Amino acid sequence: KAGVTQTPRYLIKTRGQQVTLSCSPISGHRSVSWYQQTPGQGLQFLFEYFSETQRNKGNFPGRFSGRQFSNSRSEMNVSTLELGDSALYLCASSLWTSGPRRQFFGPGTRLTVL
Amino acid sequence: DQQVKQNSPSLSVQEGRISILNCDYTNSMFDYFLWYKKYPAEGPTFLISISSIKDKNEDGRFTVFLNKSAKHLSLHIVPSQPGDSAVYFCAASAESVAYSGAGSYQLTFGKGTKLSVIP
Repeated sequence: KAGVTQTPRYLIKTRGQQVTLSCSPISGHRSVSWYQQTPGQGLQFLFEYFSETQRNKGNFPGRFSGRQFSNSRSEMNVSTLELGDSALYLCASSLWTSGPRRQFFGPGTRLTVL
Repeated sequence: DQQVKQNSPSLSVQEGRISILNCDYTNSMFDYFLWYKKYPAEGPTFLISISSIKDKNEDGRFTVFLNKSAKHLSLHIVPSQPGDSAVYFCAASAESVAYSGAGSYQLTFGKGTKLSVIP
């Protein structure tokens, strides 16, 4: 099976712009989660989608949003970019609605905000 | 408030010896714990997990120990190999009931420990 894919792998934006990142989960996986990784904060949970519905949300401002499509592919959007949004954004998919809770991660999108 | 802590940012071990990576947590609702390994420019890859009903789980060279009373878990790698050099993340999960319907399990990660295995 193909793994989790994320596009693009690298992105450079300027402050105030918006960005959309894409994630394709492993075939058959219906849950998609997004995480932000920064050197100071480690991996922090952004949100989780299941069957096109956001089920869970981390402590991030409303500038961070996402959605999931009927084929389980997911996008996340960050509006009005700030310098502090520079990070590695990771997408993870999992099979079940509830346990086992192993999540499979994609390679990430490296976002740099100038 | 950091609910999962990995207090050692880095660890160096000789090849063939044991590597012990530690993790502490504060949230007593956590009932499932995982270790992930991460190489540069790649996403984390799952290594091993343990449910709170167990105190030990083994998979080849990797063993995870859970001490619930101390809210502490550790990952043992024996013997350590140079290919084990990576950043190791401890993660914990509990069911989120913030939304109606089926449970959602977000992972709460520690900040990672960089393991270097010296040949």
